[in-house]
Amino acid sequence: KAGVTQTPRYLIKTRGQQVTLSCSPISGHRSVSWYQQTPGQGLQFLFEYFSETQRNKGNFPGRFSGRQFSNSRSEMNVSTLELGDSALYLCASSFNGQNGYTFGSGTRLTVV
Amino acid sequence: KNEVEQSPQNLTAQEGEFITINCSYSVGISALHWLQQHPGGGIVSLFMLSSGKKKHGRLIATINIQEKHSSLHITASHPRDSAVYICAVNSGGSNYKLTFGKGTLLTVNP
Repeated sequence: KAGVTQTPRYLIKTRGQQVTLSCSPISGHRSVSWYQQTPGQGLQFLFEYFSETQRNKGNFPGRFSGRQFSNSRSEMNVSTLELGDSALYLCASSFNGQNGYTFGSGTRLTVV
Repeated sequence: KNEVEQSPQNLTAQEGEFITINCSYSVGISALHWLQQHPGGGIVSLFMLSSGKKKHGRLIATINIQEKHSSLHITASHPRDSAVYICAVNSGGSNYKLTFGKGTLLTVNP
């Protein structure tokens, strides 16, 4: 069965631009969660969606947003990019949001 | 104080050694996860625990709910076990998020 697919794998953006990242979950999984990983802060939770509804949001500014579509695919958007947004962005899918996470390979975003 | 603490931060071992990585948490949880991350970023879920002990091949994970502590053991370690091992918890109730430890960098030398 296909894994969790994140696109693109690598991205270079300029400060002030916006970016959209995509995550396609495992078939049948209705929960998609997003995480930011940086060398300084480690892995941090961004938000989680289940059946197109955001159920939890982490402590990130409003520039970070997301959505989930009816086919469970999810996108996250970061507006007005800052240098500090450079990170590996990972998504994970699960059946119900609490059990059995499968992670994507991540999108490495570099802001210059 | 972080909700999830791991120790040690770095661990170097010789091939064949028995490895233990520890995780302590300060919140009520519904589940604890052990994850493995290789260079390049991909994360693999190794175990999900809510009680007791689980074994998969040379890996064993245990959890003590009363003491809020979990351990990951690797028996007969091998250089391919070199990776970052991350402990993460689901807080109970409707909190559908993972909170992560800082990770343990394991290097196994041949």
